[in-house]
Amino acid sequence: DAKTTQPPSMDCAEGRAANLPCNHSTISGNEYVYWYRQIHSQGPQYIIHGLKNNETNEMASLIITEDRKSSTLILPHATLRDTAVYYCIVSPSGIQGAQKLVFGQGTRLTINP
Amino acid sequence: KAGVTQTPRYLIKTRGQQVTLSCSPISGHRSVSWYQQTPGQGLQFLFEYFSETQRNKGNFPGRFSGRQFSNSRSEMNVSTLELGDSALYLCASSLPREKRMNTEAFFGQGTRLTVV
Repeated sequence: DAKTTQPPSMDCAEGRAANLPCNHSTISGNEYVYWYRQIHSQGPQYIIHGLKNNETNEMASLIITEDRKSSTLILPHATLRDTAVYYCIVSPSGIQGAQKLVFGQGTRLTINP
Repeated sequence: KAGVTQTPRYLIKTRGQQVTLSCSPISGHRSVSWYQQTPGQGLQFLFEYFSETQRNKGNFPGRFSGRQFSNSRSEMNVSTLELGDSALYLCASSLPREKRMNTEAFFGQGTRLTVV
């Protein structure tokens, strides 16, 4: 079973920051937080991942709370093309971590013009 | 750099038949994972192959099998197809040779299988 809890849907205005929350209260010390998204009928796309420090890349920022029980994915300037289902996944470290992903239901993010 | 390639993109089969799906990973990736996506169950892990060996397996019946070749290309096979096997089958590759620890998975566009 998925070890994360996400709101089923969210809306955001185009050009604003989209903040997607994720609860992972049972995360263990060696588990990473991954975010993927899936645009309709396409394969999931990797966004970002982190262990305990905040991370930023060209797509998004990941903020992980100090106790690591929750995180927030931030899309700084959402566009219509960011409309997708966003999945938050916790996965163990080590070489097997990225290869067996347990997907939950995700958050359906809709960016409105 | 070419992405993960899955063939065919679409497939229609009849109940009771078998089907083989193919996945070519990103060049240099050693791990290939397979997932099934249905509207009811969402994205579910099928199995993972690494260096021609099955390393992880999800909770699917034995009708679902796979293999990986020495060039890391992978195939999955479903025998005795059932209507419920209709799904989008996704392949993901990861673990470039120069990396050993956590890295992201790259997904293909999937094969949409319809069983009639």
